[in-house]
Amino acid sequence: AQTVTQSQPEMSVQEAETVTLSCTYDTSESDYYLFWYKQPPSRQMILVIRQEAYKQQNATENRFSVNFQKAAKSFSLKISDSQLGDAAMYFCAWSNTGNQFYFGTGTSLTVIP
Amino acid sequence: DSGVTQTPKHLITATGQRVTLRCSPRSGDLSVYWYQQSLDQGLQFLIQYYNGEERAKGNILERFSAQQFPDLHSELNLSSLELGDSALYFCASSETSGWGGELFFGEGSRLTVL
Repeated sequence: AQTVTQSQPEMSVQEAETVTLSCTYDTSESDYYLFWYKQPPSRQMILVIRQEAYKQQNATENRFSVNFQKAAKSFSLKISDSQLGDAAMYFCAWSNTGNQFYFGTGTSLTVIP
Repeated sequence: DSGVTQTPKHLITATGQRVTLRCSPRSGDLSVYWYQQSLDQGLQFLIQYYNGEERAKGNILERFSAQQFPDLHSELNLSSLELGDSALYFCASSETSGWGGELFFGEGSRLTVL
């Protein structure tokens, strides 16, 4: 079974500081994608960043970057220069070649002014 | 705006009743997914359709059913509703250009069962 685990139900960060959200997953497949989605209070799910498992280089999108450790099946999200608008629920997700997606339980991020 | 449309946005009903949630995917997307998000829980995968055919099934109860129509819109039917079915139900569609594409989510349908 495919599982995605987010062990931090809640995190907080001071504005302008850096925070790292953790995610681990379990799969026996070799080809897959990993994602971080953001769900702000508006509840609309928005893609933050995507990583292809066969690419060793960590993905980056402006202030968002990932630390992908394939052997450890770890996929953490780093948010630099945190902004008030980053406050949201963050979900880690995994998808396989059949485009089946599995999500973690989420981490609620609070940004402190 | 993700391009995925869900109706209704809010729905309040009583136990034992039946409701239908509707989803229109992004133009051109052939895959539709349904997810359930209960309070303090992540997104539970219910079911996936691709071009009208069921592709994968997750933790979908027997009281729930879904289908994707020839025009690619999808409906999720929830019957014999229980209090525990109160949740946010998301529909998502994916890009058709192979795997690895992102999911585009609708705004969700908030179901409250009283």
